[in-house]
Amino acid sequence: DVKVTQSSRYLVKRTGEKVFLECVQDMDHENMFWYRQDPGLGLRLIYFSYDVKMKEKGDIPEGYSVSREKKERFSLILESASTNQTSMYLCASRGTVNTRSTDTQYFGPGTRLTVL
Amino acid sequence: DAKTTQPPSMDCAEGRAANLPCNHSTISGNEYVYWYRQIHSQGPQYIIHGLKNNETNEMASLIITEDRKSSTLILPHATLRDTAVYYCTSQRSGSRLTFGEGTQLTVNP
Repeated sequence: DVKVTQSSRYLVKRTGEKVFLECVQDMDHENMFWYRQDPGLGLRLIYFSYDVKMKEKGDIPEGYSVSREKKERFSLILESASTNQTSMYLCASRGTVNTRSTDTQYFGPGTRLTVL
Repeated sequence: DAKTTQPPSMDCAEGRAANLPCNHSTISGNEYVYWYRQIHSQGPQYIIHGLKNNETNEMASLIITEDRKSSTLILPHATLRDTAVYYCTSQRSGSRLTFGEGTQLTVNP
């Protein structure tokens, strides 16, 4: 079974703090993703990475950065947390898109971040 | 990627089949139909996907109409643990994953 883990299920931070969200996958997947999910707005892509040290902006990268130093680990960084970054953060991984089933994304359990 | 339309909510009795519809009338020939579900406060979980043939796995069956404009996810014997939001999405290979609002399925005892 594919396993994607996230460092915290619940996190409470103060405005202006630097926040690290970590994600680890055990399937040797090349692609990893960070999303946020908000009521009424659905799933929105923040950043993704298709290889170690490679990253691409998603639809809402402002206020976020990412790091991928190892294939299995993808970190999301909030440089200076703000209240509008209160959300559910979801990490996902996906294998190389060259076989029938590798568009499937496998999600972690999510981190519910509250910024006060 | 094509837009999908799902009913906002459905109910099902425990032990009965749950049939969740999805319309994707603008789907193109190289787009797959994917189904995910999300149990409250957890991450989305992949269920099944297909291109044009019907598919079955240990979780569910997927029936795609011949014109590919709609599909139905079937949970053959729904349990209380199947209560979740179910998302239908169409996706070209390598494209971004997007979810709409999905269908809230409530399985009642």
